[in-house]
Amino acid sequence: NAGVTQTPKFQVLKTGQSMTLQCAQDMNHNSMYWYRQDPGMGLRLIYYSASEGTTDKGEVPNGYNVSRLNKREFSLRLESAAPSQTSVYFCASSVISGTGPYEQYFGPGTRLTVT
Amino acid sequence: AQTVTQSQPEMSVQEAETVTLSCTYDTSESDYYLFWYKQPPSRQMILVIRQEAYKQQNATENRFSVNFQKAAKSFSLKISDSQLGDAAMYFCAYRFTDKLIFGTGTRLQVFP
Repeated sequence: NAGVTQTPKFQVLKTGQSMTLQCAQDMNHNSMYWYRQDPGMGLRLIYYSASEGTTDKGEVPNGYNVSRLNKREFSLRLESAAPSQTSVYFCASSVISGTGPYEQYFGPGTRLTVT
Repeated sequence: AQTVTQSQPEMSVQEAETVTLSCTYDTSESDYYLFWYKQPPSRQMILVIRQEAYKQQNATENRFSVNFQKAAKSFSLKISDSQLGDAAMYFCAYRFTDKLIFGTGTRLQVFP
């Protein structure tokens, strides 16, 4: 049981390049999330998917797109990377969304640098 | 809008001593959940403890306990008998509907 996995672990991009961050979970969770973590800012929600087939914007969605490929996989795409997107990106999942004690399980993170 | 504030960027504690990390939040909701997450140098986010707002009893998990003051919108984490492995960033988080809102974190150092 791997939990939440993310690929790649590290990535360096040049400004304007595109890339997709991959996330998969094997816990049969319905909800999945993408966060970014910047120094001094905590984690901020980029996009989330409450269930397969749905996606919604979080606090900082600009410059990103997401795809909920199936129940297991939730990808984050940067179409034209900018230095402001240099950050650590975390994927998370929970059994369901909504108000409740449902723990979010996090992946190991991807450190992305845009030069 | 809901916000979470951690006013202590850094804290330190001696091994075996007790330390308390502060967290306040702002919300107009009455039913919500609060969490403390630990992030060691490995970057992995680990749930430490959770509290339901409708429960008056403070949550406890082994050496970790919270002091939840709903009227004051305060949710502090107490770590007893601190261990070297407790050194990490600690994040307070508030959950309402789909969103988990994090504070900016407190870096805890543990000295032998």
